[in-house]
Amino acid sequence: QVQLVESGGGVVQTGRSPRLSCAASGFTFRSYSMHWVRQAPGKGLEWLALISYDGSNKIYTESVKDRFTISRDNSKNTLYLQMNNVREEDTAIYYCARDSVVATGGFDYWGQGTLVTVSS
Amino acid sequence: DIQMTQSPSTLSASVGDRVTITCRASQTISSWLAWYQQKPGKAPVLLIYDASSLQSGVPSRFSGTRSGTQFTLTISSLQPDDFATYYCQQYSDYPWTFGQGTKVEIK
Repeated sequence: QVQLVESGGGVVQTGRSPRLSCAASGFTFRSYSMHWVRQAPGKGLEWLALISYDGSNKIYTESVKDRFTISRDNSKNTLYLQMNNVREEDTAIYYCARDSVVATGGFDYWGQGTLVTVSS
Repeated sequence: DIQMTQSPSTLSASVGDRVTITCRASQTISSWLAWYQQKPGKAPVLLIYDASSLQSGVPSRFSGTRSGTQFTLTISSLQPDDFATYYCQQYSDYPWTFGQGTKVEIK
C-alpha cells in the first residue's frame, strides 16, 4: 500500500536550515509529482511546493520561494524540503503529499506529517 | 492568488442530518476543486476531486457539486465518523490554495 513517511522535524532555532525528508513506498515514486503542504498549529492548510516526477519542474508559493527548496532522489524514493533561514512563522506540521493519479490536481495520499517548531 | 472562501466556519449537526458546506472561488476555476476531510492529529483525506468525482473508497453519502464559482460538499446522512474539519482546495492555478476549513461538530 502507498506509504509516505516524513522525518526531520523538531525544535530548531530561528535562522537555522533544517531539511525534511519524505520516504515513499508502495508505488512507483519516479512516476509522480510530489508536494509539500504545511499546517500551522490550530490553523488551515497551506500548499508550499511542487516537484515534477523527474525533478525538472519546481513551483513554490510566494511566501517560501526564496528560502525553501524542494528536491527528490528517485533512486532512493525520497522527497526533500530544504528550509533555509527559518522563522517563527514557519512553525507547522509539514506534510508530503502525492499528486492525484485520477485528477488533474489535488493530493490522493498524504504522510502523517512532521512537526517543525521554530524558536528563538 | 485565487482565494477560496468556505462557509460556515463551524457547523453543529446531529447524526442523520443532511449537511452542506459551501466554497466560493474568487475567480473561475472550472471544476478544478477537491474536498478533504481532516480529523484531529491526522493528515487530510481526499473525498472529492474535479468538483464532483468521488475518490475511490469514500462512502457514497459524500457528494460534490459546482455552480459557477460556488462549490458544495454534501453529506446526505451524517454519521459519527464524519465529525471532522473539511477543506476545499483549488488546483486551477498556482499557488494551489485551500479554504479556511469548516468544522462539523456534534449538536
